[in-house]
Amino acid sequence: AQSVTQPDIHITVSEGASLELRCNYSYGATPYLFWYVQSPGQGLQLLLKYFSGDTLVQGIKGFEAEFKRSQSSFNLRKPSVHWSDAAEYFCAVVNAGNMLTFGGGTRLMVKP
Amino acid sequence: DAGVIQSPRHEVTEMGQEVTLRCKPISGHNSLFWYRQTMMRGLELLIYFNNNVPIDDSGMPEDRFSAKMPNASFSTLKIQPSEPRDSAVYFCASSPSGGAGNIQYFGAGTRLSVL
Repeated sequence: AQSVTQPDIHITVSEGASLELRCNYSYGATPYLFWYVQSPGQGLQLLLKYFSGDTLVQGIKGFEAEFKRSQSSFNLRKPSVHWSDAAEYFCAVVNAGNMLTFGGGTRLMVKP
Repeated sequence: DAGVIQSPRHEVTEMGQEVTLRCKPISGHNSLFWYRQTMMRGLELLIYFNNNVPIDDSGMPEDRFSAKMPNASFSTLKIQPSEPRDSAVYFCASSPSGGAGNIQYFGAGTRLSVL
């Protein structure tokens, strides 16, 4: 069965600093990978997705993620964090049945 | 497009009462999902419909939970009787079809508190 691990439960960065959120997955076939963001009291919004092709994918709000098959990773990055990026971030993998398995989430706090 | 619409946004009820959560998927989407989010267990898939038919309900915690999708534009998740441990945020999501590459669009969720 597929699984997703987000090793960091909480991360705090200063505004303007770079950000990397880690995600490791376990899936037998070629994974379809997603990053979602959840602002307080809101639903989940898709940031970006990887299906195939270029292993560096660009998303909304200046985020990008890199798929590394050898490391079973799909880390999310942003070169300069804004205060509005404070939220919880979820990595997810979908199986052939279109069912998402989410990681436990990483809560990002941004210091002024 | 209005997106996935869930109602109510907040529900407070007493243990033993019946609770019904509602979801209107995005028009034209064929797949609908119900998730539960708790601090302890994170985001869990409860049930998945494709073309109004339940495909996988292995995530439904127990017989007190039931879900229906009588038509393409409406689904309900019912808990009867409710218990304090059912307190959570329940999300509904829809996607264009049953394919693995389709993005799921989430509603804003229903925050359920069972006292």
